[in-house]
Formats: sequence, structure tokens, C-alpha cells
Amino acid sequence: DIVMTQSPDSLAVSLGEGATVNCKSSQSVLYSSNNKNYLAWYQQKPGQPPKLLIYWASTRESGVPDRFSGSGSGTDFTLTISSLQAEDVAVYYCQQYYSTPYTFGQGTKLEIK
Amino acid sequence: QVQLVQSGADVKKPGASVKISCKASGYSFSSYYIHWVRQAPGQGLEWMGVINPTGGGTNYAQKLQVRITMTRDTSTTTVYMELSSLRSEDTAVYYCARSPDRNSGYYLDYWGQGTLVTVSS
Repeated sequence: DIVMTQSPDSLAVSLGEGATVNCKSSQSVLYSSNNKNYLAWYQQKPGQPPKLLIYWASTRESGVPDRFSGSGSGTDFTLTISSLQAEDVAVYYCQQYYSTPYTFGQGTKLEIK
Repeated sequence: QVQLVQSGADVKKPGASVKISCKASGYSFSSYYIHWVRQAPGQGLEWMGVINPTGGGTNYAQKLQVRITMTRDTSTTTVYMELSSLRSEDTAVYYCARSPDRNSGYYLDYWGQGTLVTVSS
């Protein structure tokens, strides 16, 4: 199984400041035949299902604010929130969909400082 | 609009089975796969398996292989997930979620509201 490891486990950021969540996979999730990284990011607020933010490591889902961006390739990925808003308080998960089981990171809890 | 509506919460005794439904609407049922993901209380997300609504083909997480069955009813655009031989560790919120096909990417773009299953004697 591909192990997904996120860092940090929790993060406190001031409103308007930037936030960065890292995700490392135990093996590459870059498929050489199409040069795509099989990596998604989700946001989960308390009592709600996860919400897709980013897929193919850097493609923003329709309707997601452009302050959210994804980057990285191979085994190392980053979710960046450029200017934290109050509604961004949530747990963020990365997931690889390269090979089964399609594993998730353990989650990063983002709070307001 | 795309909707995945799941059945309600359930309480089961250890050793029993649970069957959860996920009714899809607002899109072409045959064009998207349905995955099941669970989340134990206060814990992270665990992918359980996926079903192809067209042919019914499935792919399960190996750790659940012997206990899980996913089926679909194309006439009602409903997918079912049955988990047998329940134990306390299966207490979780179970989600169904939609993805494009494998070639388009198995990212989960719409999720059901979740179904809490409690396993307790």
C-alpha cells in the first residue's frame, strides 16, 4: 500500500496569512504515460463530508476559491492557502488514486491563531 | 444538481451485517463510479472500495475483501455496500462518493451525507 504522510498534524495561522500543508507519498504517484500525478486534496469541516479542492495535484475543482492551490510531483506535494479566511478552518486530507487501496493522509487540522 | 443520498444511521451487534444504500441523482448514473470511504470517530478517512455502475465490477481494499460486498441497481440508480461480521472497530461514518472512470481519474468529486454505523453489544 502507498502510505501518505501529511505534515504538520495541526497548524494555526492568522487571518489573512498564508498556510501550507505538505503531503508525502511512500512511492511516486506520477504516471509516466500521461505525466499526471494521481493526487487529490480534500477539505472536511466538522459534521460534514469531505469536499474536493484539488485533483491531478494542481487542478482546482470548479467553485473552489483561487486562494487554494496545489503543487508538487512524484512523491512530494503541497496545498497552499494564500490568505486564510475564517471559513477555511477545517481538516485537510491528501489522497492518492494511483493504486489501490486509494489511501489518504492522516489529515492536517487548520485553525485560526 | 448532483446528489448522493444515503440511508439512515444504524446500530448493529457484533457479528451482524449492515447494508447501506446510496441513491444517486442529477447525473448520468452509468458515467461515474461509486466509492465507499469510512471514518471512525475522531479519525481519518479510509478507502473501502469502488464499483462500476455499468457492469457492476468491483475493487475492494484487501483488508476488507472477505467481508465487503458492493452492488448496484441501475433501475433505481442506487448503490449498496454490505459489510459482514461486524466488530466494534467497524463503528464509523460511512460515505459514498462519486468519481470519474479510472482513465479520467478516481478523485471523489461528490459525496453523500454519511451514514453512522454503530457496532455495540
